[in-house]
Parts: sequence; structure tokens; C-alpha cells
Amino acid sequence: SQELEQSPQSLIVQEGKNLTINCTSSKTLYGLYWYKQKYGEGLIFLMMLQKGGEEKSHEKITAKLDEKKQQSSLHITASQPSHAGIYLCGADPSGTYKYIFGTGTRLKVLA
Amino acid sequence: NAGVTQTPKFQVLKTGQSMTLQCAQDMNHEYMSWYRQDPGMGLRLIHYSVGAGITDQGEVPNGYNVSRSTTEDFPLRLLSAAPSQTSVYFCASKSGTNEKLFFGSGTQLSVL
Repeated sequence: SQELEQSPQSLIVQEGKNLTINCTSSKTLYGLYWYKQKYGEGLIFLMMLQKGGEEKSHEKITAKLDEKKQQSSLHITASQPSHAGIYLCGADPSGTYKYIFGTGTRLKVLA
Repeated sequence: NAGVTQTPKFQVLKTGQSMTLQCAQDMNHEYMSWYRQDPGMGLRLIHYSVGAGITDQGEVPNGYNVSRSTTEDFPLRLLSAAPSQTSVYFCASKSGTNEKLFFGSGTQLSVL
């Protein structure tokens, strides 16, 4: 079965610093989703990547999917306290509707 | 537009009790699903449905039952609660393939 591994598991950065979160799949991805979860709340959709080499940006967050479609990275530029939360990557293996998610990366941004 | 609504937000059960977690969406989404979130385990799929009258098992279906009699509602039933079912439960829906999942705000369940 396909699995998603995220790294690092947790991250503490000073406000203004850049950071990167990685999501690695054991098999080729057919679509990769990034979500953010504030502590004690639901998941908020950030971005979806489908094509190898694809890159999307929203405000200060950029997500990329590598050419082989087995690894994605989420990069935050000039982090702010509002970026704090849990970031999860998710995928639908082969379009089966049986979504899988990584274990998440806990981000804390110190003001 | 309410999106995905889950009730209750918090619930405490005794071992052996049964209960139903409610999930409703007002976006006319065909796909609905239930996940549980445990520390260090991420989100794991319990059951999902691709339309009214159609349900299927996910990764961790044991101890849970679902039905989909309408497009809007997808309740999750715990038949006989066990401490291992202590978790945060999320309901999610989406409109079609290659579309994002919309999540509810979650139900925190404790089984004593």
C-alpha cells in the first residue's frame, strides 16, 4: 500500500525565517494535496499539485511536486506567527478515493 | 453556505455504549468520508461513500458502521465503543475527481 512520509515531524522557527516541509511517497503520486490544520480545528485546503514539476504559490507559501511525482515540498517564505499549525500532505492513490495522509508537521513560529 | 457540519464537537462515552456522529454537507457533493486522527498516525480513512446508497471500507473500518441514505448526510455509528476508539473524528466531502476535500471541524471523542 502507498504511504506518505513527512519531514520534519516538528519545526520551531523564528519569525521571518524561511522553512521547508517535505512529503515523500512510496509510489508515484496521482495528485498531491497540502492542508493546514490549526490546533483543535479542521483542515484548511492550501494547494493541489498534479503534474510532475508543477509549482504553485499562494501568498508566502510555495508547493512543488518533483518530476518523478514521488516527492513534494512546501516552502514558507518569511514565516509569521499566523503560519503556525500542523501541515499535512494527502493523496488519492491511483484515483481509488481511498485518500491517505502524511503524519503531519507541527510548525511553531516564535515572534 | 455552511459547508461540512459535524455534531457533536465533544463526546464522552463509557465502554460498550453506542453512538452516532453526524455529518452533513450542503454542497451537493457525491463523495463523503470519515477519518480518525490519532497522535503520530495522521489521518486514517474509516469509511467512504461515492453517492447515496453506496459505501465502502477504508483503512480502519472495524467497530464502525455507516450508511448513506441521502446525498447530504453520512452518519458514523460506533456499535460498542472501546477505549481504542478515543480519537478526533473528521468528516470530509468533495464534488469529483481531482477536487479538494472539504473538512468539518471535527468531533473529539473520549471512551472511558
